[in-house]
Amino acid sequence: EDKVVQSPLSLVVHEGDTVTLNCSYEVTNFRSLLWYKQEKKAPTFLFMLTSSGIEKKSGRLSSILDKKELSSILNITATQTGDSAIYLCAVEAWPPGTYKYIFGTGTRLKVLA
Amino acid sequence: DGGITQSPKYLFRKEGQNVTLSCEQNLNHDAMYWYRQDPGQGLRLIYYSQIVNDFQKGDIAEGYSVSREKKESFPLTVTSAQKNPTAFYLCASRKGEGQPQHFGDGTRLSIL
Repeated sequence: EDKVVQSPLSLVVHEGDTVTLNCSYEVTNFRSLLWYKQEKKAPTFLFMLTSSGIEKKSGRLSSILDKKELSSILNITATQTGDSAIYLCAVEAWPPGTYKYIFGTGTRLKVLA
Repeated sequence: DGGITQSPKYLFRKEGQNVTLSCEQNLNHDAMYWYRQDPGQGLRLIYYSQIVNDFQKGDIAEGYSVSREKKESFPLTVTSAQKNPTAFYLCASRKGEGQPQHFGDGTRLSIL
């Protein structure tokens, strides 16, 4: 059965700290891995990683895909209180055309002032 | 502004009642999805539709129904057969393969 596991489940840090969130997966025919940030309502898209794009960076956030280890990390440097959210990892697998994502349970991050 | 609109934001269901959650998008996206989110669990797929007049069951379709009569709209009905409907429901859409899904703000459904 396809599955996506995120760790840790929750994390409390202070402003300015650097955090690393983990996502590991076991899927048949991996296609892409995505990271989302969910505050109170809609998850908002952060990154999509594929075999042809294994590193992405945007400001203080960066993500790497390790296809050998079947995992990905999301790094946040110089954290701010606005980074407090649930971070979701999702994996899309073949066959193509099914358009289905498998989500992990998320990591709840709280950044203290 | 383009986006995905879900309504209502909060909904209460009585015993034996069917309720319908609305999802509208003006992004010209082909595919649309309904997810259920429960505390401590990841998003679980209820139904999805890749084109108008076609949809497929997801992992937890029992007790739910959908329609896709227009490209912009993908309403979800929670029927009385769904015995544990209390959850946060999220609608998503995307243009096609290789594109990320984008989400609406969700509807929180509770039992009266």
